[in-house]
Amino acid sequence: NAGVTQTPKFQVLKTGQSMTLQCAQDMNHEYMSWYRQDPGMGLRLIHYSVGAGITDQGEVPNGYNVSRSTTEDFPLRLLSAAPSQTSVYFCASSYQTGYNGYTFGSGTRLTVV
Amino acid sequence: SQELEQSPQSLIVQEGKNLTINCTSSKTLYGLYWYKQKYGEGLIFLMMLQKGGEEKSHEKITAKLDEKKQQSSLHITASQPSHAGIYLCGAAGETDSWGKLQFGAGTQVVVTP
Repeated sequence: NAGVTQTPKFQVLKTGQSMTLQCAQDMNHEYMSWYRQDPGMGLRLIHYSVGAGITDQGEVPNGYNVSRSTTEDFPLRLLSAAPSQTSVYFCASSYQTGYNGYTFGSGTRLTVV
Repeated sequence: SQELEQSPQSLIVQEGKNLTINCTSSKTLYGLYWYKQKYGEGLIFLMMLQKGGEEKSHEKITAKLDEKKQQSSLHITASQPSHAGIYLCGAAGETDSWGKLQFGAGTQVVVTP
């Protein structure tokens, strides 16, 4: 089925380790975004991209890197994991017009110990 | 940055009763999305409002955008157990593209028998 695919679904990291959360979409969407969701805080925007080769920071970008070399993929890199990065991470994509809404992936639950 | 405040934070409603959730923006809205999330799952797109005074309905859920008040409301008529979950509003500011979509903290809805 078409949609947004996130991998892995679950991950445990040790403090200081690095890893990449993968996100891929097959709907030819221009826009892609990464959010983290913490209890009582809703979704907070980490980084977003309006097209291949273009990325920008959201509300909480520190400790995360992104790149968008293709339209389909938008990986999120944790440079040196910290316990404060324990969260559920969602990737989302949308057409430029935004009329049909963002399509969200099923999330990655990350625990940093 | 765009700030969205949702009220109430949570509510318990008896099956068959109506409920209303509000979403107020700190800035002029470029447009607004409503999403629903079930615990531990991704977000499901409900509807998108872009014009002041616009009102949309889907089954028993109606949303309205009051551009002057920088506010949107989501109304559920005759609630059912399937309406339980977390409702989130998301918006982009007037000068932002849809790429920079930010969300409120969410409203948790519990439907009791």
